[in-house]
Amino acid sequence: DAGVTQSPTHLIKTRGQQVTLRCSPISGHKSVSWYQQVLGQGPQFIFQYYEKEERGRGNFPDRFSARQFPNYSSELNVNALLLGDSALYLCASREGNEQFFGPGTRLTVL
Amino acid sequence: SQQGEEDPQALSIQEGENATMNCSYKTSINNLQWYRQNSGRGLVHLILIRSNEREKHSGRLRVTLDTSKKSSSLLITASRAADTASYFCWRETSGSRLTFGEGTQLTVNP
Repeated sequence: DAGVTQSPTHLIKTRGQQVTLRCSPISGHKSVSWYQQVLGQGPQFIFQYYEKEERGRGNFPDRFSARQFPNYSSELNVNALLLGDSALYLCASREGNEQFFGPGTRLTVL
Repeated sequence: SQQGEEDPQALSIQEGENATMNCSYKTSINNLQWYRQNSGRGLVHLILIRSNEREKHSGRLRVTLDTSKKSSSLLITASRAADTASYFCWRETSGSRLTFGEGTQLTVNP
């Protein structure tokens, strides 16, 4: 059974642009969470979705938004990119208490 | 901040020695989990402990939880070079806030 998948693997954008990151959860998992991990730091919680509804939100500006689709896949959108948005973006799917993480998307903003 | 602290930030030991890392938190939790991350890749789930549990074992791992002190410890026994990684604790608080600590960078020298 496939694990959590994320696309793209790497992405380079310039300041002011917009980016969309994608995540497919493990089959049957209805909950997806997004995290941002800046180099050398722990992951920071961005959003949690369950059954297509937002269940939790971290301390991120409104430039960050997400949604979950009927097949439970999810997209994270970031508008008006800043240099500080450069990070590894991790997606996790969950059924019950345990989270399973994808390999992440490394975003570089120039 | 609802994030807690992890200590030490870095730990260097010899193969065969035990490694202990600690995690503290500030608000009540539903459960606490430990994860490992190798070289900025996705996180791997190690062990989960519920708020009503005090100790759990999994292979060479032992986790304790002291809810009165709002702290948890992860012990890795008989460490191996392959245990070299960053270790994070993750806690789920009420209101679906999902937080990681800053992590402990463990280096096991052969």
